[in-house]
Amino acid sequence: KAGVTQTPRYLIKTRGQQVTLSCSPISGHRSVSWYQQTPGQGLQFLFEYFSETQRNKGNFPGRFSGRQFSNSRSEMNVSTLELGDSALYLCASSLAISYEQYFGPGTRLTVT
Amino acid sequence: DAKTTQPPSMDCAEGRAANLPCNHSTISGNEYVYWYRQIHSQGPQYIIHGLKNNETNEMASLIITEDRKSSTLILPHATLRDTAVYYCIVIAGTYKYIFGTGTRLKVLA
Repeated sequence: KAGVTQTPRYLIKTRGQQVTLSCSPISGHRSVSWYQQTPGQGLQFLFEYFSETQRNKGNFPGRFSGRQFSNSRSEMNVSTLELGDSALYLCASSLAISYEQYFGPGTRLTVT
Repeated sequence: DAKTTQPPSMDCAEGRAANLPCNHSTISGNEYVYWYRQIHSQGPQYIIHGLKNNETNEMASLIITEDRKSSTLILPHATLRDTAVYYCIVIAGTYKYIFGTGTRLKVLA
């Protein structure tokens, strides 16, 4: 069974631009979560989607948004990029509530 | 803030058991203990989880104390490929994982 895939794997953007990252969960998984990882703050939860509905949200500004499609694929968007948004963005999928999460390889975003 | 406390780093000789402790003294009755590891620049990898009984799978064993205030992840025969950052997380009914700083395990040849 294929794992979680994330595209693109690497991205360089300029401050003020916006970016969209994509995540395809493991087949049959209906929950998708997003995390940001930086050297200073570590792994931080962004949001979680289940059946196209956002169920949980972390403590991030409104510039960070996401959505989930009917096939469980998910996208996250960051608008008005700041230098501090440079990070590894990780997507994780799981079957449903109370199941373990499986992480993708991440998208490394660099904002210049 | 993370609800777990882990030592920042540990070393283990290759072939020996690696015992990674985690303190979760404020754990609630319905919260599970999950362990993940992250090998440099890769996504975290699920290892094992448990509620109150000890658990074992092909990767590791999880020992949870009777009062559930702490747990130990055991890698029975550590290899160089087990060098990673290990995260202990407590969670209940939601995927809002709060990762702490984890334990950086270094397996020595």
